[in-house]
Amino acid sequence: SQTIHQWPATLVQPVGSPLSLECTVEGTSNPNLYWYRQAAGRGLQLLFYSVGIGQISSEVPQNLSASRPQDRQFILSSKKLLLSDSGFYLCAWSSLTNNSPLHFGNGTRLTVT
Amino acid sequence: RKEVEQDPGPFNVPEGATVAFNCTYSNSASQSFFWYRQDCRKEPKLLMSVYSSGNEDGRFTAQLNRASQYISLLIRDSKLSDSATYLCVVTSGTYKYIFGTGTRLKVLA
Repeated sequence: SQTIHQWPATLVQPVGSPLSLECTVEGTSNPNLYWYRQAAGRGLQLLFYSVGIGQISSEVPQNLSASRPQDRQFILSSKKLLLSDSGFYLCAWSSLTNNSPLHFGNGTRLTVT
Repeated sequence: RKEVEQDPGPFNVPEGATVAFNCTYSNSASQSFFWYRQDCRKEPKLLMSVYSSGNEDGRFTAQLNRASQYISLLIRDSKLSDSATYLCVVTSGTYKYIFGTGTRLKVLA
C-alpha cells in the first residue's frame, strides 16, 4: 500500500532563516506531488505541484520554492522566512488515473517568530 | 467569485439528526469531485469521491449536480464523532485540486 511521509511535524523558525520541508511517497511510481498551505482558520492554498522529476508548477508568487530531485521526493524551501509564512504545510500525492483523490501527509506546523 | 464555495457554518446539530452541506464550483469543465474531512490541527482525509450518479457510503450520501454546478453531502444519524470540518474539493484541469474553505459541523449530545 502507498504511504506518504512528511517531516518535521512541528517547526519554530526565526524570521529570515531558511526552510526545508521534505516529503516522500512509498508504494507508487510517478505520483503527482503537491504542497499546500493552510493558514490558521483558513482553507487550503495550493502552492506547488509536480507531475514528474524536475517539473514544478507554482501557483502563488512568494518567497517559497519547491524541488523534486527524485520521483517520490518533494521538497519545499525558502531562503528567508517571513512572518506570513507561518501555517500548516501539507504534502500530498495523487496517481495518474482519472478521478484519483489526493492523499495527504501528516503535515508540518510552521511558526515563524 | 471563488472557484469553490462552501458555507463555513458552524452547523450545530443534535445526535441522530440528518444534516446536509452544499458546495458550489465555478469551473464547468471540472471533472472530479471529492469530500474530505478535517479534524482540528490534522491533515484532511478523504471521506468519499462524488460520482455523477450519486453515491452512498454507510450514513454518507454524496450527489453531483452538473447543471447547477454544485455537490452535496448528506449525513444521516449524526454521531458525536462526525464533528469536524468538511472540505469540498474540485479538480481544475488535469492536475489541480481546489479546496473550499470548509464547513464546520458540531454534533451535540
